[in-house]
Amino acid sequence: NAGVMQNPRHLVRRRGQEARLRCSPMKGHSHVYWYRQLPEEGLKFMVYLQKENIIDESGMPKERFSAEFPKEGPSILRIQQVVRGDSAAYFCASSPPEGGHIQYFGAGTRLSVL
Amino acid sequence: GENVEQHPSTLSVQEGDSAVIKCTYSDSASNYFPWYKQELGKGPQLIIDIRSNVGEKKDQRIAVTLNKTAKHFSLHITETQPEDSAVYFCAAQPGYSTLTFGKGTMLLVSP
Repeated sequence: NAGVMQNPRHLVRRRGQEARLRCSPMKGHSHVYWYRQLPEEGLKFMVYLQKENIIDESGMPKERFSAEFPKEGPSILRIQQVVRGDSAAYFCASSPPEGGHIQYFGAGTRLSVL
Repeated sequence: GENVEQHPSTLSVQEGDSAVIKCTYSDSASNYFPWYKQELGKGPQLIIDIRSNVGEKKDQRIAVTLNKTAKHFSLHITETQPEDSAVYFCAAQPGYSTLTFGKGTMLLVSP
């Protein structure tokens, strides 16, 4: 049973470009969470999605950031017109459809903005 | 919203010693408290968790205690080994909402 898969592992973008981060949850999981981690900081919640629904986006910046979890395929975190301050590690976690608490994390995508 | 404080930020111990990491939380509605271990370049890995109806939980060399009245919980690692060296994060979760994390503790276990 594969774990949470994130790709790419590393992503380099120049200022103004778009970044697309992908997350495939564990098999059978239908809840996806995105977190951002700055150097020497804890993980900060960004958005919580279920299939085709955004449940909680209270941690998402109001501009340039969006997320989706379509009926088919991985969840996508999209950052438009990236700036240097977007450089961070972005982690995805998933949990099973019956809800509950446990979240399993992927290995993350490390975004560097030049 | 929930706020989680974690101490210490770094902890150095000798192999075989015990290590204790402490966290406090603010939201009395929080009822789930996981601990994650993060090694360099990897994602957080769940190592132990505790729910609000339990005061203590053990899993081999790892234990977690919870004091709901005081709103604090702690991670205890006994007989530490060099492979325990990592960053440890506590988290709190009200209901079935999202996790709020502490800022992490870097544990260094010297042989």
